[in-house]
Amino acid sequence: AQSVAQPEDQVNVAEGNPLTVKCTYSVSGNPYLFWYVQYPNRGLQFLLKYITGDNLVKGSYGFEAEFNKSQTSFHLKKPSALVSDSALYFCAVSNNDMRFGAGTRLTVKP
Amino acid sequence: DVKVTQSSRYLVKRTGEKVFLECVQDMDHENMFWYRQDPGLGLRLIYFSYDVKMKEKGDIPEGYSVSREKKERFSLILESASTNQTSMYLCASSLYQGGSYEQYFGPGTRLTVT
Repeated sequence: AQSVAQPEDQVNVAEGNPLTVKCTYSVSGNPYLFWYVQYPNRGLQFLLKYITGDNLVKGSYGFEAEFNKSQTSFHLKKPSALVSDSALYFCAVSNNDMRFGAGTRLTVKP
Repeated sequence: DVKVTQSSRYLVKRTGEKVFLECVQDMDHENMFWYRQDPGLGLRLIYFSYDVKMKEKGDIPEGYSVSREKKERFSLILESASTNQTSMYLCASSLYQGGSYEQYFGPGTRLTVT
């Protein structure tokens, strides 16, 4: 069975600082990994995905994620956070079905 | 851009009512999904469909049914609404079957059952 864990319910960073939102996964076989973002009262928006190849994946809005097979992690990163990045972030792993983590609320303070 | 629309943003129903949630996608996607989102639990898959008239149970199908009569439309039905079905319901679609395809989500329907 596949699963995803987001160990932090909440992440707070100051604007301009780097941010990291953590995700670890468990899956048999090669993983397909995703990050989604949810702004208030909206559905989820796709940010980026890892299928194969380069371990560093670049996505929308300046976000990137690093796939680490030995640590079974797929952390989301951004070099310089914006207040507008404040939202709920979901990591997901997919085989045929997609399984989502519980979400991490990111707050970026001015 | 892919657009996934849901029939209502907010819905209030009484216990025991039959509730229909409609979802339409405009990009000819093969797959459609229904999730419910609850705080601290993330998204949980209720039902999904890989083709017209085809449906598969997800993790929490009890108390729900679905219908997919046309490729672009996927309906979620609460046969007899209960208070524990108060939640945010999200519809999604993806291009093909298989794990590598991202899903596109509608804005969600916040359902309150009183």
